[in-house]
Amino acid sequence: GESVGLHLPTLSVQEGDNSIINCAYSNSASDYFIWYKQESGKGPQFIIDIRSNMDKRQGQRVTVLLNKTVKHLSLQIAATQPGDSAVYFCAVDTGANSKLTFGKGITLSVRP
Amino acid sequence: KAGVTQTPRYLIKTRGQQVTLSCSPISGHRSVSWYQQTPGQGLQFLFEYFSETQRNKGNFPGRFSGRQFSNSRSEMNVSTLELGDSALYLCASSPGPRTDTQYFGPGTRLTVL
Repeated sequence: GESVGLHLPTLSVQEGDNSIINCAYSNSASDYFIWYKQESGKGPQFIIDIRSNMDKRQGQRVTVLLNKTVKHLSLQIAATQPGDSAVYFCAVDTGANSKLTFGKGITLSVRP
Repeated sequence: KAGVTQTPRYLIKTRGQQVTLSCSPISGHRSVSWYQQTPGQGLQFLFEYFSETQRNKGNFPGRFSGRQFSNSRSEMNVSTLELGDSALYLCASSPGPRTDTQYFGPGTRLTVL
């Protein structure tokens, strides 16, 4: 099966700094990766995704990096803002079925 | 486009009762997946439906069941509730049967007393 883990349960950053959230996965057959953000009282919100044929993808203030060799992906948030405070999840799909496997989540706190 | 909607948002039940949760996917989305979220276990996949057929099921007991209607709306049912079923139940929709990008609803917070 697949296991997905985030390296740290919490991350505290200064407003304006860049944030990096890391995630490791176990199944080398994983081919689709997603980052979600979950604010208190809400469902997970899609941030950015990447497929295994890419190693980098950029969105608005966010970048996802994928290193298939070491089975690691990261989410970089530029110029972190107070509104970025939330729990972040990485999710992985092996492609064998429609099931997403989620990491436990990391809580990002932004200090003013 | 309206997002994924889930009803009810909050529910309190007692042990032994059963509960039905409802999910309306984004218009045009035909795949609906259900997840259970708890502080201890995180987000765990329950099942996925596409075109009224269950395509995949997670590792949950048979007390958890679901169905999908011809308009893609989905319901999940939990029978003989246990205290450990207290959780946030999330529904996610996507256009097709492959995962692609799943969009989540706000969830139904179920408390079992």
